[in-house]
Amino acid sequence: EVQLMESGGDLVQPGGSLRLSCAASGFISITYAMTWVRQAPGKGLEWVCTIKGGDAFTEYADSVKGRFTISRDNSRNTLFLFMNSLRVEDTAIYYCARAIDGSSSTFVYWGQGTLVTVSS
Amino acid sequence: DIQLTQSPSSLSVSVGDRVTITCRASQNMAIFLNWYQQKPGKAPKLLIYAGSNLHSGVPSRFSGSGSGTDFTLTISSLQPEDFATYYCQQSYTIPTFGQGTRLETK
Repeated sequence: EVQLMESGGDLVQPGGSLRLSCAASGFISITYAMTWVRQAPGKGLEWVCTIKGGDAFTEYADSVKGRFTISRDNSRNTLFLFMNSLRVEDTAIYYCARAIDGSSSTFVYWGQGTLVTVSS
Repeated sequence: DIQLTQSPSSLSVSVGDRVTITCRASQNMAIFLNWYQQKPGKAPKLLIYAGSNLHSGVPSRFSGSGSGTDFTLTISSLQPEDFATYYCQQSYTIPTFGQGTRLETK
């Protein structure tokens, strides 16, 4: 059974940093494109970034480019999101999601989400 | 980026109703359009991918159609568990989501 479990969400001050983790089980994560999607309180879904399967090519939304870094530890089957220079507008539930294959942006499996709150 | 506009933003419906939600794209994207369902406090779930393909385990009352710039999600006979917010999402380029359509009880 495919499972994704996010962790690491917390309350952080503006300008601070945070690392989110997404532990994958039931599949080999290096084979698939993995993505972070966020949802601000009461708002819609926003794609944040993706790491492709195989060559680990990465893509970022303009709103986080240069501040966030997506990576994965293949030995631990875990996806990470390193978040720097956090802003109030980064406050959201962050979901990790697995794509249908190594390059797709169709999100088949989702974690339960982890809440990041940026506030002073 | 491709912009997706869903309509309506909210819909008052009753059990048994036929429900239609539309998603219009700012440019042609063939059939690279997916639909998700999200219930309060839960992660989204994939319903339809590539315009009209029903994801495994999704009830057959859900269907998708369209290509190019205009897409539709249809629920043939609304069930109590279908009250949720529905999002379209394009996978043609850098992913974007529609703003969502919330189904409310009439």
